[in-house]
Amino acid sequence: GAVVSQHPSWVICKSGTSVKIECRSLDFQATTMFWYRQFPKQSLMLMATSNEGSKATYEQGVEKDKFLINHASLTLSTLTVTSAHPEDSSFYICSASPSVESLGTQHFGDGTRLSIL
Amino acid sequence: AQSVSQHNHHVILSEAASLELGCNYSYGGTVNLFWYVQYPGQHLQLLLKYFSGDPLVKGIKGFEAELIKSKFSFNLRKPSVQWSDTAEYFCAVKRDSSYKLIFGSGTRLLVRP
Repeated sequence: GAVVSQHPSWVICKSGTSVKIECRSLDFQATTMFWYRQFPKQSLMLMATSNEGSKATYEQGVEKDKFLINHASLTLSTLTVTSAHPEDSSFYICSASPSVESLGTQHFGDGTRLSIL
Repeated sequence: AQSVSQHNHHVILSEAASLELGCNYSYGGTVNLFWYVQYPGQHLQLLLKYFSGDPLVKGIKGFEAELIKSKFSFNLRKPSVQWSDTAEYFCAVKRDSSYKLIFGSGTRLLVRP
C-alpha cells in the first residue's frame, strides 16, 4: 500500500520550455504533498508543500512563479517548471502524506530527472 | 538552522560484515527521526522511525537505530549486511511541531558478495 506514482521519470527539453511533472497517490488520499529537489551528491531539499485545494507553501529561496504547484485533488499534485533553463536541471521528487497526523511519514515517488539543454 | 549530518558518504563492505552509518542532528528540542533507503532505480522507502519511547528502534530488514540524545545521534546499524542492502541511505529529522523533513546528504553503501 501507500504507492506514489510520479510521471514522467525522465524528461529532456530545450531551454525556455515549460515542463509539468505529475505526482499521484494511487491507493490513498493525500491531504498534503511535498516537492523536493535533489542535486547530485546532495540531500533532498524541500521546495514546497501543497495542500489539496489551497495555495502551496514555498520554502525560502524558491521562486513561486518559476515552480508552479497545483494540488487540485486528493490524489494529484503537479509541479510545472516554467521557462526552464539549464540551471533548473535536477532530480525532482514528490512525496505524499495521507493525513495531518501522519505528516512525519511520507511516501515518495520515484522522482523525475529533468535535463534542460 | 536545523541540520542533519551524515559523515560517511560512501561505505564499502563485504557480505556478513556489520554496518553502522552515522547520523547527527543539530536541533535540541523534541524531534522525530527517520532512516530512509533508496535501492537502485527505486523510490525512497522508510526503514524505521523514532517518535518517542524506547531509543532503540527496530526497522525492516534487520535494521535498527539508536537515539543517543546526549550526542544528538541516530546511527543506523545492521549486524550482518547482505548484497541486497546495496543502496543509498538517508537520515531525516522532523521537529515535533513541524511537518518538514530535513534530510542528510545520504550514504551510499556497496556490499560486495
